[in-house]
Amino acid sequence: QKEVEQDPGPLSVPEGAIVSLNCTYSNSAFQYFMWYRQYSRKGPELLMYTYSSGNKEDGRFTAQVDKSSKYISLFIRDSQPSDSATYLCAFRSTSGTYKYIFGTGTRLKVLA
Amino acid sequence: DTGVSQDPRHKITKRGQNVTFRCDPISEHNRLYWYRQTLGQGPEFLTYFQNEAQLEKSRLLSDRFSAERPKGSFSTLEIQRTEQGDSAMYLCASRRQGGDEKLFFGSGTQLSVL
Repeated sequence: QKEVEQDPGPLSVPEGAIVSLNCTYSNSAFQYFMWYRQYSRKGPELLMYTYSSGNKEDGRFTAQVDKSSKYISLFIRDSQPSDSATYLCAFRSTSGTYKYIFGTGTRLKVLA
Repeated sequence: DTGVSQDPRHKITKRGQNVTFRCDPISEHNRLYWYRQTLGQGPEFLTYFQNEAQLEKSRLLSDRFSAERPKGSFSTLEIQRTEQGDSAMYLCASRRQGGDEKLFFGSGTQLSVL
């Protein structure tokens, strides 16, 4: 079993739609949960991070962590064409490492 | 611009040649990371430094790869005897010790091995 699973998409939605992006993971030691956005030919940029469990909201973005199911989600409300990018989930454990593990990324296209 | 800087942006080389990439992190960041990314995949961890100390290295990394961070400032990643399978985007990222979990990525070096 892979440590992190993420559907690669592509996911196409109309402008204004609510987008749901998800990752599952197998490592119980993961305590930091992150979502990055990556535009073509650019490095990833952090959108949101959560420590341990719960929800976090920032503008149109909401991140959710369900540690019991080992499942994290990112919701984008009122999606815009400028949200078209690849979304990467990322994880870090607290077991003596500062290594970040990334998912494969989901390609999102928001159609105007 | 005070972001993470990588040089060169693109590198084309022939199989068997050695290549070296440079990363200049954000100045107050003492943690520096190297990742490799291929098309349709997420970044794959290669190694990270805290100041000048290389604290962790991926077990997947062959002996042909070496990274240094002299004086805890810029870092170099060298690939010896390149193979076609080394073709990828090599990303550098940095962050402060303590603080939040935010990694700041550079725009990467795209390596093509012919």
